[in-house]
Amino acid sequence: DTGVSQDPRHKITKRGQNVTFRCDPISEHNRLYWYRQTLGQGPEFLTYFQNEAQLEKSRLLSDRFSAERPKGSFSTLEIQRTEQGDSAMYLCASSDRAGNTIYFGEGSWLTVV
Amino acid sequence: DQQVKQNSPSLSVQEGRISILNCDYTNSMFDYFLWYKKYPAEGPTFLISISSIKDKNEDGRFTVFLNKSAKHLSLHIVPSQPGDSAVYFCAASRQLQGAQKLVFGQGTRLTINP
Repeated sequence: DTGVSQDPRHKITKRGQNVTFRCDPISEHNRLYWYRQTLGQGPEFLTYFQNEAQLEKSRLLSDRFSAERPKGSFSTLEIQRTEQGDSAMYLCASSDRAGNTIYFGEGSWLTVV
Repeated sequence: DQQVKQNSPSLSVQEGRISILNCDYTNSMFDYFLWYKKYPAEGPTFLISISSIKDKNEDGRFTVFLNKSAKHLSLHIVPSQPGDSAVYFCAASRQLQGAQKLVFGQGTRLTINP
C-alpha cells in the first residue's frame, strides 16, 4: 500500500489525557498536512509541513496541539489535556513538490469521554 | 465566514442518470479547485481538479465545470452508478500564490437509487 497511512485509526480517551497520532505520507511526497473534520462539516486545515519545516498553522491549532515532522518523513500530532470538543476525525494528507493534488489518509477518529 | 459553500446537503439520483453537484465560493483569490469523495469512516479520496485557467476538465464519467465570473463550480457524474453514493466535498486553494491549504465546503451526500 503506497497511500497515506495513519495510526491509530480509532482512539477513545478520557478528558485530560494526552493523545498522539502518527502519519506516514506517500514516500516521494515532501509536503504533509493535518486537517480536522467534525460531523456534518468539511475538513478544516490545521497545519502544513514542507520537509521538516512547519510552514503554516491554523488558528484552530491551540497551544494544546503540537505537530512535528522531525526527519521530513512521518509526522506526529499530539493533543495535550484533551477536551470533549477535540472529538473529531484527524486527517493527514500529503502532496508532491508541485502541491497541486493533496491525497488524504483514512483518518484517525478521536473520541474524548 | 464560509468561503466555500455547498448549499445542497443531499441529492438523490436514479442509477444511469446524471448527477450534478454544485459549489460556490466567495474568495476571488482561489485559483485551483478540487472534488473529493468520502465514504463513512474513511478519508476523502481525490476525484478531479481544475485550474482557474480552464473552464472544464473531464476524467471518465466525471466532469468539472468552472464559471469564474459566477464563482461557481459543478461536478457532473454520468452515468451515475450505485458505487457513487458517498459524500462529495469541493475544495479550493490559492496555488498560484503558493498557499497550500485547501478550504472545503460542507459536503453533499449523493445517493444513487437502483
